[in-house]
Amino acid sequence: DSGVTQTPKHLITATGQRVTLRCSPRSGDLSVYWYQQSLDQGLQFLIQYYNGEERAKGNILERFSAQQFPDLHSELNLSSLELGDSALYFCASSAQGGGTNTGELFFGEGSRLTVL
Amino acid sequence: GEDVEQSLFLSVREGDSSVINCTYTDSSSTYLYWYKQEPGAGLQLLTYIFSNMDMKQDQRLTVLLNKKDKHLSLRIADTQTGDSAIYFCAADNYGQNFVFGPGTRLSVLP
Repeated sequence: DSGVTQTPKHLITATGQRVTLRCSPRSGDLSVYWYQQSLDQGLQFLIQYYNGEERAKGNILERFSAQQFPDLHSELNLSSLELGDSALYFCASSAQGGGTNTGELFFGEGSRLTVL
Repeated sequence: GEDVEQSLFLSVREGDSSVINCTYTDSSSTYLYWYKQEPGAGLQLLTYIFSNMDMKQDQRLTVLLNKKDKHLSLRIADTQTGDSAIYFCAADNYGQNFVFGPGTRLSVLP
């Protein structure tokens, strides 16, 4: 158990809909990362938050947004969903994100999104 | 930005050694990691190496780093069926700019 909790584990929805994925980082971790894993694209970095503020942005579509709340949990919002958004979405947390030590990431088990 | 590359597939026989290779582009990467993803699970850190080291050994795992060629390898001795998984190479710069490779799917044949 990594200590990172993601909900829901599975989600099936229709094209055009909007969903919210939730992540609770390990206790004390300030950084939260979101990744998308699909069969043809591998593990794609979406966005990182550190202590409530956006720290880095990757290949995140404009239809997607995220935020990190004062209690450090994070939500990833996916809107106007398309078939190609079907993927496994991982959240990871780390203690660092701007520090001087190794930034080992602890991954949740992922949220599997299926868009029909 | 950083680019991390790996071969996508590797098959070995049980009991043999596995060597998974990775190349990266950013010479300022400070830490290089190997993560393992088992079916239906998230990624889990296997081991990491600091950029000023050439080698790190941890039980059956040996990590070799050639900083000049920006080449990282993971050797798994006495590979077992339980080692079948996807192995991701990753690099960062003091916890920032974390970049993963595409993953190498290791299949261990009995």
